[in-house]
Formats: sequence, C-alpha cells, structure tokens
Amino acid sequence: SQQGEEDPQALSIQEGENATMNCSYKTSINNLQWYRQNSGRGLVHLILIRSNEREKHSGRLRVTLDTSKKSSSLLITASRAADTASYFCATDWGLNKLVFGAGTILRVKS
Amino acid sequence: DGGITQSPKYLFRKEGQNVTLSCEQNLNHDAMYWYRQDPGQGLRLIYYSQIVNDFQKGDIAEGYSVSREKKESFPLTVTSAQKNPTAFYLCASGQGVDEQFFGPGTRLTVL
Repeated sequence: SQQGEEDPQALSIQEGENATMNCSYKTSINNLQWYRQNSGRGLVHLILIRSNEREKHSGRLRVTLDTSKKSSSLLITASRAADTASYFCATDWGLNKLVFGAGTILRVKS
Repeated sequence: DGGITQSPKYLFRKEGQNVTLSCEQNLNHDAMYWYRQDPGQGLRLIYYSQIVNDFQKGDIAEGYSVSREKKESFPLTVTSAQKNPTAFYLCASGQGVDEQFFGPGTRLTVL
C-alpha cells in the first residue's frame, strides 16, 4: 500500500487531556500535512511541516517530524469536545499529489 | 468547505447506470482532485488534474472517468464498469500540493 500508517486507529480521552497521534510513511517526502475530518464532511487542512523542519506549532497543535524514522506525530493539547473528529496525515512525495493515511478517530468526552 | 462545492450531497445509482458527480471551485486553483473514501478508511486518489484539458489517473481510476474543460469544474463519472461504487466521494482543489481544500462530499449508494 502507498498509504502511510497511523496509530492508534482510535483514541478516546477526557476533555482537557492531551491527544497524540502518530503517522509513519514509506519513502522520502517533501512535506507532511495533517487534516481533520468531522463526521460526514470534507477534510480541513490543519498544519504542514516540511522535510527540513523538526517541529511546528499552531495554536493547540504541535507537530513533529523525524525523517530518519519516517514518522510524524500530532499533539493536541488541552483537548475539547469539539476536537472529536478523524485526523489524517498526508505526505507529498514530489509527484504533485498527496498520499493519505488511514486516519485516527479521536473522541473527546466531556 | 468554502470555495469548493459538490453536488448532489446524496446520490443513488441503479446497477448498470452511469452517474456524474459535480465539483466546482471558485478559488482559482489550477489543481483539482477526486478521492474515494470507504467507511473507516482513508482517502484513495481516483483522478487528478493540474491544468485545464489535462488529467492523470490516480491509484484507483478503473471504472471512473473525468474531464477538465474549465478551470473551475472537474466532474467525475462513475461508470457501470465500477463494480463497487458505494462510497463517499470527495473533491479537492489546490495551488500546488501544500494545502488542499475539500468540498463537502457526495455519498453514492448503489441500489
């Protein structure tokens, strides 16, 4: 499969806790992106990290990239019920298209 | 979902029918993409177009066709050759691949 792999497949946490999702991929990339999908809706772009970057922040989101391990993690701090969604990583291999992972389903309980 | 629209939201197809899903964007993006999403799974690329009058097959193009006659429009036809078309279809656009903007999706069901 060309897809990246994400783990866990599903994550359930209490409001206020941090959520960490991981993404692994198979080949060298230009950048890695994270998207969110609310149930039955389209995806929304969250953050992009380039291959020469190691960490990036956006609000309550923190993304790390380890190109030697071909992996990335998305941390959502102080989670809220509204963060309940599916989260996908997508990799740009330089082929003018993105390859999406299978996603992590996050449930934040209030 | 702003700037990119898909219609219809729900579509039902009988066996042997071709159906066309609409995707329109007003973001002036050169590139447009069609993805298929099955329950509990990620997105798989069907077709993509980087410029008007040009498009490329993605990973699962068999049984699908597209056209790109206008920059704003990238319709997807699900043909009768697609044996298992029931899925959620997502259209996206972008200027390069640094960020893709998605439409709200069309849910296709075969009766």
